[in-house]
Amino acid sequence: DGGITQSPKYLFRKEGQNVTLSCEQNLNHDAMYWYRQDPGQGLRLIYYSQIVNDFQKGDIAEGYSVSREKKESFPLTVTSAQKNPTAFYLCASRGRGGEQYFGPGTRLTVT
Amino acid sequence: GQQVMQIPQYQHVQEGEDFTTYCNSSTTLSNIQWYKQRPGGHPVFLIQLVKSGEVKKQKRLTFQFGEAKKNSSLHITATQTTDVGTYFCAVPFYGGSQGNLIFGKGTKLSVKP
Repeated sequence: DGGITQSPKYLFRKEGQNVTLSCEQNLNHDAMYWYRQDPGQGLRLIYYSQIVNDFQKGDIAEGYSVSREKKESFPLTVTSAQKNPTAFYLCASRGRGGEQYFGPGTRLTVT
Repeated sequence: GQQVMQIPQYQHVQEGEDFTTYCNSSTTLSNIQWYKQRPGGHPVFLIQLVKSGEVKKQKRLTFQFGEAKKNSSLHITATQTTDVGTYFCAVPFYGGSQGNLIFGKGTKLSVKP
């Protein structure tokens, strides 16, 4: 099956801890994205990567970090510097027509 | 800066009624995309519109791109409970990396059986 996988589906962390969210795709897409979604809100871009070994900050990058060492993988680290980390995190990749394919998401709760 | 407005924010309908959501851009667009997110799920790409005045249909869903390419609509005829979810429009982000999208805040549709 081709697609994007994110793990885990639910994640709980204590305040002050860093946490890494996994995103893997086997669609052979170059571009990948991380979004944050809060209740009743749209999608806000955290980081994006147009190609392996390259990534750029999105609109709300503060408190987050990423890496893109492999084409298939684009992990997101939520650091302790992120003031409101509790949210639904969505990873996506971009198809040839410009459409984006989303993973199932990770719901992060920090207490 | 570039903005995309989507209305209404919420829509509650009786099953069988029609539903329409509208998306308006502050800039002329090269294309517009629509996504559906089921409750508890992730956004799923529905369609992309490119041409001025374009109308595309997917079963009970009708998508339209305005003549000026600054607005779009999604109309659902005779809603069913399976239509429940949030519908987002997404437009290209100009001034940044090619391929990035700006998403509207979505219209959340609830359908009463």
